Amino acid sequence: SAVISQKPSRDICQRGTSLTIQCQVDSQVTMMFWYRQQPGQSLTLIATANQGSEATYESGFVIDKFPISRPNLTFSTLTVSNMSPEDSSIYLCSVAVIAGEIYNEQFFGPGTRLTVL
Amino acid sequence: TQLLEQSPQFLSIQEGENLTVYCNSSSVFSSLQWYRQEPGEGPVLLVTVVTGGEVKKLKRLTFQFGDARKDSSLHITAAQPGDTGLYLCAGATGTYKYIFGTGTRLKVLA
Repeated sequence: SAVISQKPSRDICQRGTSLTIQCQVDSQVTMMFWYRQQPGQSLTLIATANQGSEATYESGFVIDKFPISRPNLTFSTLTVSNMSPEDSSIYLCSVAVIAGEIYNEQFFGPGTRLTVL
Repeated sequence: TQLLEQSPQFLSIQEGENLTVYCNSSSVFSSLQWYRQEPGEGPVLLVTVVTGGEVKKLKRLTFQFGDARKDSSLHITAAQPGDTGLYLCAGATGTYKYIFGTGTRLKVLA
C-alpha cells in the first residue's frame, strides 16, 4: 500500500486566480494520477503525472488549464489555472502499486476541496 | 466510450438489512476494484478481483467478479451504520488505466 498526503485540504479562491495542490507519497511510485470529483459523484481522471516527462492528459483536460509537475517519484503538483466557479470540485491524487502478477492497486490521497467564488 | 454503470444510485436501509450493489459494463476488465469513500476523505480500497467468477469475502462484505469479467457485485450482510458511504467500482482497462463506476451512495439507519 501507500500513504498519500495532499495540501491544502481545502481552499476558497477568487475567480481568475490559480491554486497549486501538492501530493506527497511515503514511498517511490512510478504511476501517479490526478482526478476530479464533484461532491457525491464519481471520479474523472484528469491526467497521469509522469516523472521526468510531460503529463498525459485525458480528453477534455489541457495542460494550460491544469499544469502538472512530477519532479521525483514521491511528489507531484497540480495547478488549477485561471479558475472559474465551474472548477469547484474535489481534486484527488492517487498512485498505483503492483499488487499481483497481472494487476496493480490504486490508493488515494484525502483530496483537496476547492471552492471558487 | 467505456462506461461502468452502478445500481442502485442511492440506497437507504435499516440496520441489519442485506443489500447488493451492482457494477455493469459492456467492456472486459483485467481486474476490478471496489472502494468506499466517506465525506471529506479519499476512496479507500476494499478489494481487488481478478479472475472471472472469483468471489472474495471481507467480513460482512462479499464481492463477486462476473464470469466474463464485465460485471461485479458487492453484497453486504446485516448492514451497520458504519457501512454508510459512497461505494465505487473501478475497472482496469490497461496496465494502469482505470474507469470508475457511477457510484452508489449507501445510508444505513440505526
